[in-house]
Amino acid sequence: EIVLTQSPGTLSLSPGERATLSCRASQSVGGSFLAWYQQKSGQAPRLLIYSASSRATGIPDRFSGSGSGTDFTLTISRLEPEDFAVYYCQQYGGSPRTFGQGTKVEIK
Amino acid sequence: EVHLVESGGGLVPPGGSLSLSCAASGFSLSNFWMTWIRQAPGKGLEWVANMNQDGSERYYADSVKGRFTISRDNAKNSVFLQMNSLRVEDTAVYYCARHSGNFDYWGQGTSVSVSS
Repeated sequence: EIVLTQSPGTLSLSPGERATLSCRASQSVGGSFLAWYQQKSGQAPRLLIYSASSRATGIPDRFSGSGSGTDFTLTISRLEPEDFAVYYCQQYGGSPRTFGQGTKVEIK
Repeated sequence: EVHLVESGGGLVPPGGSLSLSCAASGFSLSNFWMTWIRQAPGKGLEWVANMNQDGSERYYADSVKGRFTISRDNAKNSVFLQMNSLRVEDTAVYYCARHSGNFDYWGQGTSVSVSS
């Protein structure tokens, strides 16, 4: 099983700042099959990024993903008020599909 | 537009059973794997089970293997999760999601509480 470790656990930033979230895998994620999700309080998760760097339909271009192998990054270039949420990475290069424990982006 | 709507959650005592349903619309269910994912209160996301298009392949998390069964009825555009021998640690919001490797569409979730 591929274990995903996200850091930091909590990121305290102000609107307009840049957010950089990390996801590290315990072994290489085949095909860079890594996704990022955003979850706001009381809502279902929403797919942001798939295949490490492709934005899902309707996702603003301030969200970008990068990385390969065992190290992946989600970057939010300029935080908007609606971006404060919890973000999860998920790998689908191996079975079972696994999620990271999440990074909370909170307002500073 | 793709919609997934879960139902069937509720309060059940330990050892009890519950059946969840997921109604799909806006796409052809028969073309996609489908998945159940759960989230315990205040915790992260946990994959529970998935199934391929015709039901010939089914996979389960170790934590639910032998107790939960995923099934589907493509003609009725529905996916199901039969949960038996429920434990307190099964308490969670259960989400149905379309599985394209990643999970590109999610329902709003249905809450399951296992308590005496």
